[in-house]
Amino acid sequence: QKEVEQDPGPLSVPEGAIVSLNCTYSNSAFQYFMWYRQYSRKGPELLMYTYSSGNKEDGRFTAQVDKSSKYISLFIRDSQPSDSATYLCAMTPPPGTSYGKLTFGQGTILTVHP
Amino acid sequence: EAQVTQNPRYLITVTGKKLTVTCSQNMNHEYMSWYRQDPGLGLRQIYYSMNVEVTDKGDVPEGYKVSRKEKRNFPLILESPSPNQTSLYFCASSIRQGHYGYTFGSGTRLTVV
Repeated sequence: QKEVEQDPGPLSVPEGAIVSLNCTYSNSAFQYFMWYRQYSRKGPELLMYTYSSGNKEDGRFTAQVDKSSKYISLFIRDSQPSDSATYLCAMTPPPGTSYGKLTFGQGTILTVHP
Repeated sequence: EAQVTQNPRYLITVTGKKLTVTCSQNMNHEYMSWYRQDPGLGLRQIYYSMNVEVTDKGDVPEGYKVSRKEKRNFPLILESPSPNQTSLYFCASSIRQGHYGYTFGSGTRLTVV
């Protein structure tokens, strides 16, 4: 079983839709949770991070963490064609353990069509 | 501009011919790492370095070598490439070990025939 599971999609939605991207994990030591966005032919870039259960909002993006269920989500409101990318969840234990290695999900390919 | 620079962007080589992929960062980051990205498998860590002269294996180190002689540079060496090393490679850096904010390079697409 992989430590982090992410539905690879692909996911195709119309412009303006609400998008929900999800990851589950098995390692209860994970404490920091991130979402990276990767455009075609580019490296991943950090979109959001959080280290506690609950919600964190940044513009049209909301990251949600439920540590009791080992489940994290990224919601995109009013999705735009420019949001079309691969979204990767990533997580890591606290500093001092496993030397800062991020464990990534497989990535979800999202296409927002006009 | 703060960035991680990888070269080359694309490389086609033959089995057994040694190659080096360079990685350089201009942010004075302590921590650097190499990942490979394959369809259905996501990003997997090859090697990482916590500082100059300190390197260690990640999850998939077989067939790769690294060195960290200077803080800014972290080259990835394939001594005898094989077709199963055909992949998309990313170098990443962060301020320190355990920090969440990785900066990634633009990637190197390697094909070994």
